[in-house]
Amino acid sequence: AQTVTQSQPEMSVQEAETVTLSCTYDTSENNYYLFWYKQPPSRQMILVIRQEAYKQQNATENRFSVNFQKAAKSFSLKISDSQLGDTAMYFCAFMAQGAQKLVFGQGTRLTINP
Amino acid sequence: DAGVIQSPRHEVTEMGQEVTLRCKPISGHNSLFWYRQTMMRGLELLIYFNNNVPIDDSGMPEDRFSAKMPNASFSTLKIQPSEPRDSAVYFCASSLQGGFAGELFFGEGSRLTVL
Repeated sequence: AQTVTQSQPEMSVQEAETVTLSCTYDTSENNYYLFWYKQPPSRQMILVIRQEAYKQQNATENRFSVNFQKAAKSFSLKISDSQLGDTAMYFCAFMAQGAQKLVFGQGTRLTINP
Repeated sequence: DAGVIQSPRHEVTEMGQEVTLRCKPISGHNSLFWYRQTMMRGLELLIYFNNNVPIDDSGMPEDRFSAKMPNASFSTLKIQPSEPRDSAVYFCASSLQGGFAGELFFGEGSRLTVL
């Protein structure tokens, strides 16, 4: 079974700073996908970024980028030029290729301070 | 598009009562998922459907829980009888099977409190 671990329950940074959220996972699969989802206070989960395990290049979406280390089974999220609207819970998630089940980590509560 | 619509947004009930949570997926999506979120266990997949057919219900806690999808635009999650440990936020999500892998569109959740 796959597991996803987020070791930082809470983080807090000042607006405009860069912040990195950590995620590790455990799997015996070779082909899979990794995700970061954001859950703002409104509760609705929103996909932030996605990485295919077969791709060596790290995914980037505007201010959001990942550092994917397949051998280490590590998948961190970097948020550059953080904004107040980035305040949310962030969940790392795993999905095996061909499967539809997302396995989520416990989440990191990120607060961006003005 | 209105997104995934869940109702009710909040539900407070007493132990032993029946609870029905409702979900309308995004039009055109053919996969529907029910997740439960608690502080202790995080986000857990309860059940998912493809083309209205239940595919994996291994996450359903026990027989008190049941889910149906009578058509492509509606699903229910029922708890009967409810217990205090069922208190959680229940999310419905939909996606297009064969589409962008892992891109689930979530509703705003139904917060259930069982007294």
